[in-house]
Amino acid sequence: GAGVSQSPRYKVAKRGQDVALRCDPISGHVSLFWYQQALGQGPEFLTYFQNEAQLDKSGLPSDRFFAERPEGSVSTLKIQRTQQEDSAVYLCASSQGQGDGYTFGSGTRLTVV
Amino acid sequence: QKEVEQNSGPLSVPEGAIASLNCTYSDRGSQSFFWYRQYSGKSPELIMFIYSNGDKEDGRFTAQLNKASQYVSLLIRDSQPSDSATYLCAVFSGGYNKLIFGAGTRLAVHP
Repeated sequence: GAGVSQSPRYKVAKRGQDVALRCDPISGHVSLFWYQQALGQGPEFLTYFQNEAQLDKSGLPSDRFFAERPEGSVSTLKIQRTQQEDSAVYLCASSQGQGDGYTFGSGTRLTVV
Repeated sequence: QKEVEQNSGPLSVPEGAIASLNCTYSDRGSQSFFWYRQYSGKSPELIMFIYSNGDKEDGRFTAQLNKASQYVSLLIRDSQPSDSATYLCAVFSGGYNKLIFGAGTRLAVHP
């Protein structure tokens, strides 16, 4: 596609509910990143994929967070048993290769009530 | 100490003035530096990148890099109200170029 596509755009979840956030990167982009951005803060790294391989998940805040990219294109970030502190904008970004700047999607704003 | 530090602002400048945004980073091995602009409620968009010491100009924007001082800056000439946004400094870190962001500086350009 022309850009990085994320869905849903907004998600309201009740505390304890599981959520799944989708990212469709730019076609042909090898690298895919997930970031979490709290209000008034910069994006915080969560995890990185190179094709289907998850090479770095050091930023995932807890074992309730899980990401996958099974066929090296679309990725899903899953959050189990959501908590209020999970409320944030979740940004997906892709890049063609190492050394390139990232292109971000529009993000998913998650609100846990 | 955070890896990338920025003054949160707000930085307020009059229309037509030069806005100067600053950033320091802690990893002396960092080689690539990026400036993103983020409008309220929108995602970050890349506006400049710089790899070498010195200045890099693109239209009204100039990025400046001083690796010895671990300092990156962004100058916006002839500031316009449409430049009002949060400016995020980002640095590649790690072997595969993970982008680490600062908290951003909010710029307000007033007519």
